[in-house]
Amino acid sequence: GAVVSQHPSWVICKSGTSVKIECRSLDFQATTMFWYRQFPKQSLMLMATSNEGSKATYEQGVEKDKFLINHASLTLSTLTVTSAHPEDSSFYICSARSGQGAINTQYFGPGTRLTVL
Amino acid sequence: QQQVKQSPQSLIVQKGGISIINCAYENTAFDYFPWYQQFPGKGPALLIAIRPDVSEKKEGRFTISFNKSAKQFSLHIMDSQPGDSATYFCAASFTGNQFYFGTGTSLTVIP
Repeated sequence: GAVVSQHPSWVICKSGTSVKIECRSLDFQATTMFWYRQFPKQSLMLMATSNEGSKATYEQGVEKDKFLINHASLTLSTLTVTSAHPEDSSFYICSARSGQGAINTQYFGPGTRLTVL
Repeated sequence: QQQVKQSPQSLIVQKGGISIINCAYENTAFDYFPWYQQFPGKGPALLIAIRPDVSEKKEGRFTISFNKSAKQFSLHIMDSQPGDSATYFCAASFTGNQFYFGTGTSLTVIP
């Protein structure tokens, strides 16, 4: 099956620092990757959609200058949380969608737990 | 506006029983309806999915029932096991576009 990895699985950082999270599709090429944020016992909140080689599309209310997304290749997308603050602490999950034919399924990574002190 | 409404919020089922989770959607243009299973601290994993041209899809103990006229679909877990205890999310999408997720159902299967 399709496998998506995320790195790191958890990270603790000081307020004001930047954190980069990587999302990789291991056995398929992902034309589109999605970044979600999930608070405890809540649903997934879509932050942005990124297509390989183009700028990410951010959902309303998501600061594009704070959450920098780069989708440099068909297997790698990165999310950088800049100048992180405690309110940015959350579970960040990426997903990848294959562009093959009618396949529309999103395959999720294992998530990254970010704690900002 | 919540595009996909999911119920119940939580569910407790005895081992061996049937777990039923329901979702309703608004947009008739949706053409793909997946269910995801998520364990604590993990990313969601695709469980089963259906397209609107069929009314039911079964994979092992998991069945999706789809009612196009009512704009509803449900997940049935037969012979529920303690290992099925997790949070389940339904979703709906247009081909090639973002997923709209339900609010999730926390399932607990009691031994």
